[in-house]
Amino acid sequence: DGGITQSPKYLFRKEGQNVTLSCEQNLNHDAMYWYRQDPGQGLRLIYYSQIVNDFQKGDIAEGYSVSREKKESFPLTVTSAQKNPTAFYLCASSVSGLTSQPQHFGDGTRLSIL
Amino acid sequence: GQQVMQIPQYQHVQEGEDFTTYCNSSTTLSNIQWYKQRPGGHPVFLIQLVKSGEVKKQKRLTFQFGEAKKNSSLHITATQTTDVGTYFCAGSSNSGYALNFGKGTSLLVTP
Repeated sequence: DGGITQSPKYLFRKEGQNVTLSCEQNLNHDAMYWYRQDPGQGLRLIYYSQIVNDFQKGDIAEGYSVSREKKESFPLTVTSAQKNPTAFYLCASSVSGLTSQPQHFGDGTRLSIL
Repeated sequence: GQQVMQIPQYQHVQEGEDFTTYCNSSTTLSNIQWYKQRPGGHPVFLIQLVKSGEVKKQKRLTFQFGEAKKNSSLHITATQTTDVGTYFCAGSSNSGYALNFGKGTSLLVTP
């Protein structure tokens, strides 16, 4: 069954700690995205990748880092520099990076600060 | 930068009433997409509009793209409890690589 898998579903971070959110897709999509969702704020783009070994900053990249070493995988690291990391994080993919392509979303990871 | 504004932020209707959410952009959009997110779920793609003045229907849902390609609307006829969720529009002003999402309209339908 094709789709996007995000793990874990819930994650807790201690102060000063880096955490990595996993995103894997088996849709053979070239483009992948990370969004942050806060109540009443919609979806804000953190990073996106149009192709393997390439990625671009989105609107709110500060305090986050990504890698795209494999087509199927686009992990997001929330670093200690991100002072307000509590949010719902959504990973998405699309056939290509063109905005005319619909995006398919994973179930999300909810990150909280201990 | 380009922003996509969406109104209203919330809407509470009785089952059977109609519902409309509006999306407005400060710049001309090349295309607009609509997504639905059920409570506790993730956004799911509904439809894409590309042409000026385009109208598309999906059962009780009607989507419109304005003549100037700066606004769009989603209208639901005779809402049902299954329509509950947040509806997002997302647009881009060029054929680039970043969609701009509106903040969404949260629809609550009471029986």
